[in-house]
Order: sequence, then C-alpha cells, then structure tokens
Amino acid sequence: DIQMTQSPSSLSASVGDRVTISCRASQTISRYLNWYQWKPGKPPNLLIYAAATLRTGVPSRFSGSGSGTDFTLTISSLQPEDFATYFCQQSYSSYTFGQGTKLEIK
Amino acid sequence: QVQLQESGPGLVKPSQTLSLTCTVSGASIISGTYYWSWMRQPAGKPLEWLGRLYTTENTNYNPSFESRVTISMDTSKNQFSLKLSFVTAADTAVYYCARERYTVFDSRRWHYFDSWGQGTLVTVSS
Repeated sequence: DIQMTQSPSSLSASVGDRVTISCRASQTISRYLNWYQWKPGKPPNLLIYAAATLRTGVPSRFSGSGSGTDFTLTISSLQPEDFATYFCQQSYSSYTFGQGTKLEIK
Repeated sequence: QVQLQESGPGLVKPSQTLSLTCTVSGASIISGTYYWSWMRQPAGKPLEWLGRLYTTENTNYNPSFESRVTISMDTSKNQFSLKLSFVTAADTAVYYCARERYTVFDSRRWHYFDSWGQGTLVTVSS
C-alpha cells in the first residue's frame, strides 16, 4: 500500500493568515493526489484533484501543488468557514488517505 | 444534486457479516458515468477504501479486504450495498459510501470522490 503522511497533524491560525498543509506519499504517485475539506457533521468536500486542479465552485484562495511524492495545499487568506480538517488521498494505486490536518482558530 | 445515505445495523456480533446499504438520490447508479465506493474510518485512524462498483458486473476491492468484502447494487432501488464477513472488533468504524468520478486531461484519467454520505457507525461487539 502507498502510505500518505500529512503534516502537521493540527494547526492553529488566524483569519487572514496564509496556511500550508503538506502531504507526502511513500512512493511516487505522479499528480494523482486529491485534497478534501471535512467539517464536523458533514461529509467530506472535494477541493482539489490531480494535485492542482481546483474543483468548480471552490474559492480561489485554495490551491494545490506538487508531484511525485510531495504535495502542498495552500489557503492564501484564511476565512472563518475554512476552519476544518483537511486530508489528502492518492489515486495512483488503489486509494489511500492521509490522517488529516485539523485547522483550528488561534 | 446527488445525495447518498448509508443505512444498516449499528451493532454486529463478532464473526458475523456486516451489511450496509447506500441509497442514492439525484443520480442513477447505472448511468455508467460513475463508480460507487465504500470507505471506513476506525477511530483515530485514516480513512480506508474498501472497494467500488461500476455497473452491475464490475467491482474492484482493496486487496486487504478482498477475501471478506462484497459490493453489489440493487438497480430497482438505486442502492448499492456492502457486505463484510467474519467481522472482529477491528472492523468497528464509521462507514461511508461515496460517488467516484473521473476527469480526462493530459491523456490521463484523474479519479476523485465528489459526493459522500454522512457516514454510519458500526460497532462490532458481543
């Protein structure tokens, strides 16, 4: 199995901050990497697929980058509704998920 | 807008078979455009993909679960189901159904999960 490791596991930030979350694959996965946002009591919401393609309707403050084994999700200017858990998922070989990064209000 | 809803027993005894159903509204499960998956998340652990269904005859399973998992569909009810046999306490988790689709560009298919159910907790205990 391809292991996905996210860092940090949790993060405190303020509205307006720029935030970066990392995801590392245990082997190369090209750009087969997706990012999701997950709020309590709601199902996960796809933000980005193919490492850098923003899903239609997702605000442009979200962006993704990377290829191979190292990937990044960036939120350019945090908004109150962005406080949630974010997780990555690879689709290169079967599907595996990162453990999640909980983004909390500072 | 597509909606998915999991249903089934919240408590299963060890060695028995866990059975869950996902009811889909807003999209046809036989459209051929989508795949239909089951995932789960044990407490404190990452999500695990169990397997998926594409049309009535095509399934793919996570090798870690392949000997115990069966995913099938009931087209008359627009539902798909999960069966996980010989469960143990390690199978206690929140189970999710999800729709998978793909986009084609750069001559490749990029798969992702674009709709999920709310999840249902299944506890394995005697």
